[in-house]
Amino acid sequence: QQPVQSPQAVILREGEDAVINCSSSKALYSVHWYRQKHGEAPVFLMILLKGGEQKGHEKISASFNEKKQQSSLYLTASQLSYSGTYFCGTASFLSSGSARQLTFGSGTQLTVLP
Amino acid sequence: GAGVSQSPRYKVAKRGQDVALRCDPISGHVSLFWYQQALGQGPEFLTYFQNEAQLDKSGLPSDRFFAERPEGSVSTLKIQRTQQEDSAVYLCASSPGLAANTGELFFGEGSRLTVL
Repeated sequence: QQPVQSPQAVILREGEDAVINCSSSKALYSVHWYRQKHGEAPVFLMILLKGGEQKGHEKISASFNEKKQQSSLYLTASQLSYSGTYFCGTASFLSSGSARQLTFGSGTQLTVLP
Repeated sequence: GAGVSQSPRYKVAKRGQDVALRCDPISGHVSLFWYQQALGQGPEFLTYFQNEAQLDKSGLPSDRFFAERPEGSVSTLKIQRTQQEDSAVYLCASSPGLAANTGELFFGEGSRLTVL
């Protein structure tokens, strides 16, 4: 089942902060974040494998709450280059106990204005 | 090349025609994935290869869709008797790891298919 992302779109000024949320109805093995600019390939940002563990990328960080099956992406002091669509991908467990393929949310469109 | 290469970048097909989309992954990457991305949506999983073995094809929407990776490198996604609902961007991704859920996926720029 597809994870739910919120908000669907956000517009902010350069230097402002933003939070993008991702939630799933299933127990998660991992959460992955990608950014895609229009007409380009999705680009990997980070993976979160353990509950509460934060892994950063430049001024972008994320958290993963296993119990709530939620992840949040934090963009601090946003830059013009942060504009794009952000997708979370979730991997849930199969009944066998192994993790399955990634299921992506429908995306959050972020626009950073000068 | 250094990245994942897909061809053609754009394909227009008449309804009922067969199409073939090619993916050239990063050299040495074991895993290869195909995704379908409709306009304004996230990528949807189609199929997964580990070397030449197709380990998961649960996302293929119908038996008109077929994928192969005969020598464990280049992969082809074939769509037979295309329908308008097949119009989408088809993304290929590769990974050095054995599964999508544990490592970074390297995506190609995609093949945009338009079925008239």
